[in-house]
Amino acid sequence: DAGITQSPRYKITETGRQVTLMCHQTWSHSYMFWYRQDLGHGLRLIYYSAAADITDKGEVPDGYVVSRSKTENFPLTLESATRSQTSVYFCASSVRGNTEAFFGQGTRLTVV
Amino acid sequence: AQSVSQHNHHVILSEAASLELGCNYSYGGTVNLFWYVQYPGQHLQLLLKYFSGDPLVKGIKGFEAEFIKSKFSFNLRKPSVQWSDTAEYFCAVNANNAGNMLTFGGGTRLMVKP
Repeated sequence: DAGITQSPRYKITETGRQVTLMCHQTWSHSYMFWYRQDLGHGLRLIYYSAAADITDKGEVPDGYVVSRSKTENFPLTLESATRSQTSVYFCASSVRGNTEAFFGQGTRLTVV
Repeated sequence: AQSVSQHNHHVILSEAASLELGCNYSYGGTVNLFWYVQYPGQHLQLLLKYFSGDPLVKGIKGFEAEFIKSKFSFNLRKPSVQWSDTAEYFCAVNANNAGNMLTFGGGTRLMVKP
């Protein structure tokens, strides 16, 4: 019962570097999501995907890139990391977009 | 755009006290409603959900929530909290015309004193 796994769990990177956060799910859920969690803002949607090769912007997509070549993987790339992207990132998946979402353990990213 | 408000940012209770956390949303059409819990250092887990039917829904660990359409609210309740309920609680809404996005409230941090 692997479910949904994120890697790495913790990452420290420097400003300007490219960083990729990985997300893998074993349920074959159609939908996958990336959220960032910041104090005072709750969870904000960065990008989501309805199926392989279909992605859409969420509330805060600037500075991020996603891809979904396979149903089970949904990597999130910060093309040029900035300090404002220091956050905890959660990946989630669901059968349909409006049903229960299952969350990964999160990746704590610090940009210095 | 849909929005979700959780007015209580921090709540401190003693064990056995009753809990009610407020959640209000902005959309007037058909909605799916959720409460998630995040225990310290862990990921979000679903507490309960409402899609249709009985507006009083029961979830895990003794939690329940009531959907009041006229008030655009979906408040979370528990009659008697335990120390182990210390966590952050998030309300989330999916509105039918908002595509396939869940919108989360800002969260409420609950601390239960033993």
